[in-house]
Amino acid sequence: TQLLEQSPQFLSIQEGENLTVYCNSSSVFSSLQWYRQEPGEGPVLLVTVVTGGEVKKLKRLTFQFGDARKDSSLHITAAQPGDTGLYLCAGKNSGYALNFGKGTSLLVTP
Amino acid sequence: DSGVTQTPKHLITATGQRVTLRCSPRSGDLSVYWYQQSLDQGLQFLIQYYNGEERAKGNILERFSAQQFPDLHSELNLSSLELGDSALYFCASSVVASGGKNEQFFGPGTRLTVL
Repeated sequence: TQLLEQSPQFLSIQEGENLTVYCNSSSVFSSLQWYRQEPGEGPVLLVTVVTGGEVKKLKRLTFQFGDARKDSSLHITAAQPGDTGLYLCAGKNSGYALNFGKGTSLLVTP
Repeated sequence: DSGVTQTPKHLITATGQRVTLRCSPRSGDLSVYWYQQSLDQGLQFLIQYYNGEERAKGNILERFSAQQFPDLHSELNLSSLELGDSALYFCASSVVASGGKNEQFFGPGTRLTVL
């Protein structure tokens, strides 16, 4: 059973478009992280959100943590080919491990 | 570059064999985590060590074992390999054992192919 459900599973857009990907769970997390993974490489941490309702911006990427700390979204403005990759969300509850979603595979074409 | 190193990058072996994957954490990190990534299951947590001691277990098979050495590097041992064990294996490290944000930094992975 996957604790975190990510949608959409695949997304193919053209350069310059905006997009939003979602990460949903029925569980409450003490923190939630977003990673980006490129083929053949390890996930790279983008951001950590901790407080319900928190919004963080990283250049053209905007991350939001749901008020109830059960869900999160990632919005990309004016996507570029360099944004192509697998976006993973990972939630941490009281335990030690991170629970990962299966990811959203994003392809941005010029 | 995350600062986490993993060797080897690629490993091809036969069913029934045993392999060892190696990981060196970022300088200063005491926690090491092992994950398995397959197309159908995504990233699955296997096991965590903190300063040489096992701290948490996830979906790790009994055929798999790990340890963390005094110099903090870690090894994941996979034995009696099956075709289904073919996957990417990642090591991650963090400063803290639990609590806080537990931000983890991943190595480049080892791609294991079992033929």
